[in-house]
Amino acid sequence: IVLTQSPGTLSLSPGERATLSCRASQSIDSAYLAWYQQKPGQAPRLLIYGTPRRAAGIPDRFSASGSGTDFTLTITRLEPEDFAVYYCQQYATSSWTFGQGAKVEI
Amino acid sequence: QVQLVQSGAEVKKPGASVKVSCKASGYPFTSFYIHWVRQAPGQGLEWMGLINPGGGPTPYAYKFQDRLVITMDTSTGTFYMDLSSLRPDDTAVYYCARSPSGGYDFWGQGTLVTVSS
Repeated sequence: IVLTQSPGTLSLSPGERATLSCRASQSIDSAYLAWYQQKPGQAPRLLIYGTPRRAAGIPDRFSASGSGTDFTLTITRLEPEDFAVYYCQQYATSSWTFGQGAKVEI
Repeated sequence: QVQLVQSGAEVKKPGASVKVSCKASGYPFTSFYIHWVRQAPGQGLEWMGLINPGGGPTPYAYKFQDRLVITMDTSTGTFYMDLSSLRPDDTAVYYCARSPSGGYDFWGQGTLVTVSS
């Protein structure tokens, strides 16, 4: 399953809302869709799993939704630490795949 | 606390093999799958494969099926990723990551593998 994220780069200001899209090449159960945040030089951090469940310690300004082939990660009220690269991942099949990533920049 | 501690950076020549280790601690390691994910410089994340410490199939991504082997040492809770026939485009940071019911909740610190003649 190929995951395509859009837009590739999102230029926003602190306090604004970010909406990131992840489109799957075939329908998947949202229970098998996750989102990660990655900052330079760091391992990715799990934000959302089994969409829409937030991982431990993730603030509620991060939310996810979607079904079928279209999924969305929303960050309400961007904080300075939210500027990073975001990846979606599916684990509906035995071969897990990631989207190519989407950068949220100031 | 849960920790996944990986082995150090490696420099290899094209055609060689590399074996990266990932030692788990702070949890019952037989209860969680371990995956391997890599990231080439400036690029995105690429899933490579997984191992079920409780036994069962070890699926690999199709592109790695003929040169990747993922194993574990149950006596030490250490997982291994062995990639052979290395090419320059295998240069990447290799991560191990723990998977509970979905997604990866803990990651190793990453191991840089550089393939260069």
